[in-house]
Amino acid sequence: QVRLVQSGSELKKPGASVKVSCKAFGYRFTTSGVNWVRQAPGQGLEWMGWINTDTGNPTYAQGFTGRIVFSLDTSVSTAYLQINSLKAEDTAIYYCARDVVGLYSSSGWFDSWGQGTLVTVSS
Amino acid sequence: QSVLTQPPSASGTPGLRVTISCSGSNSNIGTNYVYWFQQLPGTAPKLLIYRIDQRPSGVPDRFSGSKSGTSASLAISGLRSEDEAEYYCAAWDDSLSGLVFGTGTKVTVL
Repeated sequence: QVRLVQSGSELKKPGASVKVSCKAFGYRFTTSGVNWVRQAPGQGLEWMGWINTDTGNPTYAQGFTGRIVFSLDTSVSTAYLQINSLKAEDTAIYYCARDVVGLYSSSGWFDSWGQGTLVTVSS
Repeated sequence: QSVLTQPPSASGTPGLRVTISCSGSNSNIGTNYVYWFQQLPGTAPKLLIYRIDQRPSGVPDRFSGSKSGTSASLAISGLRSEDEAEYYCAAWDDSLSGLVFGTGTKVTVL
């Protein structure tokens, strides 16, 4: 069945970078976009953007441009989220999610989610 | 700051019906599909309703979605203790060119 498996928790110092992975199982990776969603402690869900797994073209949500980078390694069906120049306010759980609609756009039809990766930024 | 507004909490006794509202605008709910997600404590969100009123396989028919104008609703009938969770609506926003989530509603089964 369709599954997304994310990398483990990270503890980073302010100013450092982190790279979170999201490995897909059970479907052809390059047929569905991968979205990234942030959830700060005790807060709601925020859409960060998505990446077209066929072309590699990323789309970043307003408010998430500048320090984040979406990337792929299609040979291992994996998407990555990198956050640079980490700040304390980046402390959150980061989720990847597959969009059923495909590769034209993000739609919100997220039928499969990774288990989440907790990134803690603290000195 | 989310553009979709939900009540912070809702509650009901087992067996009763609870309805959660999601208020938006013409640029999101008014013109696009609405999705609902359930997040049980300590777990990842799960798709509950897609394209306004469709249930993925495996989701009980106790859950139903609807939309009217710029608002959407999620109804849970026959409330059960395992329905205690946070519920989020979501829709594409044409003005922002991005997906927006609701503020979230915590459902408590009394």
